[in-house]
Amino acid sequence: EAGVAQSPRYKIIEKRQSVAFWCNPISGHATLYWYQQILGQGPKLLIQFQNNGVVDDSQLPKDRFSAERLKGVDSTLKIQPAKLEDSAVYLCASSLEWGTYGYTFGSGTRLTVV
Amino acid sequence: SQQGEEDPQALSIQEGENATMNCSYKTSINNLQWYRQNSGRGLVHLILIRSNEREKHSGRLRVTLDTSKKSSSLLITASRAADTASYFCAKETSGSRLTFGEGTQLTVNP
Repeated sequence: EAGVAQSPRYKIIEKRQSVAFWCNPISGHATLYWYQQILGQGPKLLIQFQNNGVVDDSQLPKDRFSAERLKGVDSTLKIQPAKLEDSAVYLCASSLEWGTYGYTFGSGTRLTVV
Repeated sequence: SQQGEEDPQALSIQEGENATMNCSYKTSINNLQWYRQNSGRGLVHLILIRSNEREKHSGRLRVTLDTSKKSSSLLITASRAADTASYFCAKETSGSRLTFGEGTQLTVNP
């Protein structure tokens, strides 16, 4: 089966600019996650969707980050305006059925804010 | 704070040796998962162990779970240079929330 697709692979922007990341999960996976991984650290959950509804966005910096999942399939994560500390890899993952299977991660988008 | 703290932070061994990584957590879990991440890549799921399971095997991997001690271990037997990567434990709690630790960097020297 096809994996989780993410784009772009790399992005360099200046601080205060905006940026958007796209994720296409595995077909049929109802649950979708966005994680932020700062270099040398473990991934940190930003937001979790179940179909097109938000399950958990408690760690999403809502003053600058937003995410949506249209029609319960693709998802976009946006940062506006970006700060230097947003430099990280943004990982998207999807899951068929929690508690039974592991999560499938995409290759991520590496964001550098200068 | 991050749940699922790994120990050690870094581990360097020779090819053929066994590698053991440990993970501790703080609250009750539905299951605990181990992932591998090669440099610059996404995470790859290795194994999932449910809270009512004590041990699980997959090829050269063996995972144990002790819910009374809130700890888990990942054993890689007969390590290979290709096993060099970061290994993360992640606990799944209610609502299918998956929380990662900071990882163990494993280096297997040929």
